[in-house]
Amino acid sequence: AQSVTQPDIHITVSEGASLELRCNYSYGATPYLFWYVQSPGQGLQLLLKYFSGDTLVQGIKGFEAEFKRSQSSFNLRKPSVHWSDAAEYFCAVAGRNTDKLIFGTGTRLQVFP
Amino acid sequence: EAGVAQSPRYKIIEKRQSVAFWCNPISGHATLYWYQQILGQGPKLLIQFQNNGVVDDSQLPKDRFSAERLKGVDSTLKIQPAKLEDSAVYLCASSLGQGTAGNTIYFGEGSWLTVV
Repeated sequence: AQSVTQPDIHITVSEGASLELRCNYSYGATPYLFWYVQSPGQGLQLLLKYFSGDTLVQGIKGFEAEFKRSQSSFNLRKPSVHWSDAAEYFCAVAGRNTDKLIFGTGTRLQVFP
Repeated sequence: EAGVAQSPRYKIIEKRQSVAFWCNPISGHATLYWYQQILGQGPKLLIQFQNNGVVDDSQLPKDRFSAERLKGVDSTLKIQPAKLEDSAVYLCASSLGQGTAGNTIYFGEGSWLTVV
């Protein structure tokens, strides 16, 4: 069955520290991969997406993610976190012949000054 | 460019009552989605429209949920009668065409439903 696992429900980091959010997927073939961010009371905003090619993907707001086929992972990283990055982050997958996004349960990021 | 508009933003109803949510997608976007996001979970697709036709409604509880997209633009999602477990955020989203490849899906701010 197709699924996305985000093992960390809640992560707390200090402002300026580096960040890595984990995402593992289960899919029959290489899917399309996405990271979305959701600020409190807001909709989802696309941070970045991987379709093919270079496995290191750059996104908005200084985020990047690396696709590792051997580990079925697509972890999100940021070298230096800002207080405004506090939000909920969702990893999602979609098949190459479908439009349907399957989301993980999300990771809530808290940033301390 | 205006984003995906949804209304109402917040709604509290009693169980067994009915509720309707409205969505206006980004102008020119052919594909419209309704997602349900229960607290502590990721969004789950309820229904997908391509223009005014249904592409996928496999996870829509059809005994109580209905959705339409007349004229291929605005859409309405209705719940009747509501149950306690329907308490969630209902997210509307849209994209230019069908298929996630090359098509970014844009989400609205959501309609928050509490059933008491």
